[in-house]
Amino acid sequence: RKEVEQDPGPFNVPEGATVAFNCTYSNSASQSFFWYRQDCRKEPKLLMSVYSSGNEDGRFTAQLNRASQYISLLIRDSKLSDSATYLCVVSYNQGGKLIFGQGTELSVKP
Amino acid sequence: GAGVSQSPSNKVTEKGKDVELRCDPISGHTALYWYRQSLGQGLEFLIYFQGNSAPDKSGLPSDRFSAERTGGSVSTLTIQRTQQEDSAVYLCASSLGGGGVGETQYFGPGTRLLVL
Repeated sequence: RKEVEQDPGPFNVPEGATVAFNCTYSNSASQSFFWYRQDCRKEPKLLMSVYSSGNEDGRFTAQLNRASQYISLLIRDSKLSDSATYLCVVSYNQGGKLIFGQGTELSVKP
Repeated sequence: GAGVSQSPSNKVTEKGKDVELRCDPISGHTALYWYRQSLGQGLEFLIYFQGNSAPDKSGLPSDRFSAERTGGSVSTLTIQRTQQEDSAVYLCASSLGGGGVGETQYFGPGTRLLVL
């Protein structure tokens, strides 16, 4: 079993739709949580950190449930430019190495 | 300012040859990481440097893989006697401080390695 598991993709949605991605992690010692975005043949870039109280950045909302070891990302009013692979990421030890999920591909269509 | 840079951007080599991949972190970043992204495997951690020391090498897949960092800046990842399964994108990342949990890591564009 992988340490970080994500919804299988791809998600194909029309512009303006709301889409939600889910992720579970197996290591209860995980301390930091992130969503990264990766465009085709590009490097991953931090989209947002995820905090216990939940946090929002414009159209993006992230939630963390430590008891269930579950992380989510909600994207409202999807844009064509949101098309990418979204990576769920956790970190749990000194040194901060990142543990990545396999990623969920999102395709937003006109 | 300049981001993380890596070279070469692409490398094609023959099975059994040695390759060296280079990473230039963001100036002033003391923590440096190497990751590998293989088709179907996702992104995997290889090694972490704090300054010139490597306190976590747990992700190196075999003794054919080694890395060093000099002057607290540039790092090289060396793969000896390459195998076809080494084909992947090798990504370098750096972060500002002590590699603490939660610190943002900035990734370079990667080196695409193809072993024939």
